[in-house]
Amino acid sequence: EDQVTQSPEALRLQEGESSSLNCSYTVSGLRGLFWYRQDPGKGPEFLFTLYSAGEEKEKERLKATLTKKESFLHITAPKPEDSATYLCAVQPRSNDYKLSFGAGTTVTVRA
Amino acid sequence: GAGVSQSPSNKVTEKGKDVELRCDPISGHTALYWYRQSLGQGLEFLIYFQGNSAPDKSGLPSDRFSAERTGGSVSTLTIQRTQQEDSAVYLCASSLNNYSNQPQHFGDGTRLSIL
Repeated sequence: EDQVTQSPEALRLQEGESSSLNCSYTVSGLRGLFWYRQDPGKGPEFLFTLYSAGEEKEKERLKATLTKKESFLHITAPKPEDSATYLCAVQPRSNDYKLSFGAGTTVTVRA
Repeated sequence: GAGVSQSPSNKVTEKGKDVELRCDPISGHTALYWYRQSLGQGLEFLIYFQGNSAPDKSGLPSDRFSAERTGGSVSTLTIQRTQQEDSAVYLCASSLNNYSNQPQHFGDGTRLSIL
């Protein structure tokens, strides 16, 4: 069974204080790993897809990286508007429509 | 907006009542997905549609849950004889198709509360 574990559960940062979120996974053949951002009362918003170990994707202050066992979401010089819950999901090669999600990391950035 | 639309946004009902949740996917998206998000837990896959067909219903928690999709567009998720453990946010997503790594785009969900 595919499993996704995200850590830490919560992260409190001062504005400008860079940090990283971890997503550890086990999957029987990875087709893709997705990062989403979710604001309170809203649905998840797509950020990145990573397909193979060594791949990196960047968007503004966010950078996602992938290894064979985990993915990291690096937040560089965060701003208060980066406060959100960040979700990681894996897509297996078989039954590839069925994403398995982690419980998320809730990031709070204080001004 | 051209995003996934879900209604109602909130639903409060009494235990034992039936509820119907609606999802309107992004225009042109052939794949549609339902998930459930309970407090403090990850999203739980419920069912997937490709067109009007549901190849995988394995995530539906019990036979009280059913879903249909008509015209390759709107989908409804029906919960019969609701129980308190059904309280959760029900999220719908759509993707262009399922033949490549198309990301799933989510609506804002229906928050269901069973009294």
